Amino acid sequence: DAKTTQPNSMESNEEEPVHLPCNHSTISGTDYIHWYRQLPSQGPEYVIHGLTSNVNNRMASLAIAEDRKSSTLILHRATLRDAAVYYCILRDGGTYKYIFGTGTRLKVLA
Amino acid sequence: DTGVSQNPRHKITKRGQNVTFRCDPISEHNRLYWYRQTLGQGPEFLTYFQNEAQLEKSRLLSDRFSAERPKGSFSTLEIQRTEQGDSAMYLCAGGTHYGYTFGSGTRLTVV
Repeated sequence: DAKTTQPNSMESNEEEPVHLPCNHSTISGTDYIHWYRQLPSQGPEYVIHGLTSNVNNRMASLAIAEDRKSSTLILHRATLRDAAVYYCILRDGGTYKYIFGTGTRLKVLA
Repeated sequence: DTGVSQNPRHKITKRGQNVTFRCDPISEHNRLYWYRQTLGQGPEFLTYFQNEAQLEKSRLLSDRFSAERPKGSFSTLEIQRTEQGDSAMYLCAGGTHYGYTFGSGTRLTVV
């Protein structure tokens, strides 16, 4: 199974940037890196995905290491509504299966 | 509105009973996933459909679980002879190769 490693939890102050790391040393050359987040009592929500280059959208930025063995999700200004579990996800090589880990629980302090 | 609707939201059933959940993605979603999530864990893959074809099923899934997607539209997930260990949130995700949208899930409690 494709494996990602994330810290169990992180804290941030409101209005400050947050950098959420993910290690994926077994990633294959064609696998995209996906990030989803999950608020309490809801299904996961798409955040961003990328292959090699850094990516930006209205929600976040994704910085991908040159060797692609790690990536960082960047929330530029954390708000209380960003408090969630953030999952870094890879597809299991050669399958259709996306593997979630246990994710990082982000706590945003007012 | 996430574009993926799941029903029911909650289901309580007695051990040994059969249950069926439904997922309604939007028409553009040619791809559909079922996942299961227990407390404190990330979602665990169950099965994948591309249109009406079930292309992948988890090896961990017992034969009590079956899923269908007739005509590539809505999908159902049935669990036969439920066990207490089946208690979990069952999530459906619809999408295309551009990305996926999850429903809010069906929470199953087996008593």
